[in-house]
Amino acid sequence: DTAVSQTPKYLVTQMGNDKSIKCEQNLGHDTMYWYKQDSKKFLKIMFSYNNKELIINETVPNRFSPKSPDKAHLNLHINSLELGDSAVYFCASRTWLQGGRDYGYTFGSGTRLTVV
Amino acid sequence: LAKTTQPISMDSYEGQEVNITCSHNNIATNDYITWYQQFPSQGPRFIIQGYKTKVTNEVASLFIPADRKSSTLSLPRVSLSDTAVYYCLVDSISSGSARQLTFGSGTQLTVLP
Repeated sequence: DTAVSQTPKYLVTQMGNDKSIKCEQNLGHDTMYWYKQDSKKFLKIMFSYNNKELIINETVPNRFSPKSPDKAHLNLHINSLELGDSAVYFCASRTWLQGGRDYGYTFGSGTRLTVV
Repeated sequence: LAKTTQPISMDSYEGQEVNITCSHNNIATNDYITWYQQFPSQGPRFIIQGYKTKVTNEVASLFIPADRKSSTLSLPRVSLSDTAVYYCLVDSISSGSARQLTFGSGTQLTVLP
């Protein structure tokens, strides 16, 4: 069983199109994230949801809209795609253990988005 | 925010011990240090986590001096399959208050035959 799964793995699309990336976690974690990784491997937070509520929204264009229908899902919708949106997008989840160890983030395998 | 600084890249040979150091001068009392490993076409994967002194697991060791302003990830006897990007993250224990959510650009470790 894949702990954090995201689809599709590859996405090639034209400028101006609207696309969505889906993410699901079966770990029972409270918090889910979207990260963007550029060509220099810089991994930057975009959004964070805790129990379906948006708790972190970094400075990203409002063309990017996350949607969390339930605690196990966090989808990313992107409107009017631009060339600069080309990157690898990672979904992640996390939980904090009361008085116990924290195993940090669990990441999906990424979605490589190419805008042409 | 707790910012980390790591070398951009390192080379090593098979069988050697590799030490990657991360600086985190403004680490706070509630922060702990976590290291991740990322292979090409995969998401980062948790390797090891510590608060102070030394932590060891089946994959690596983590050394943290008393002032906690730096940490060193030690990989014993690396193999070609250890070639990856390694990220250091300084983070808070409390839910929803992660102080460093951006991983930075990590250290590209290349293991040579």
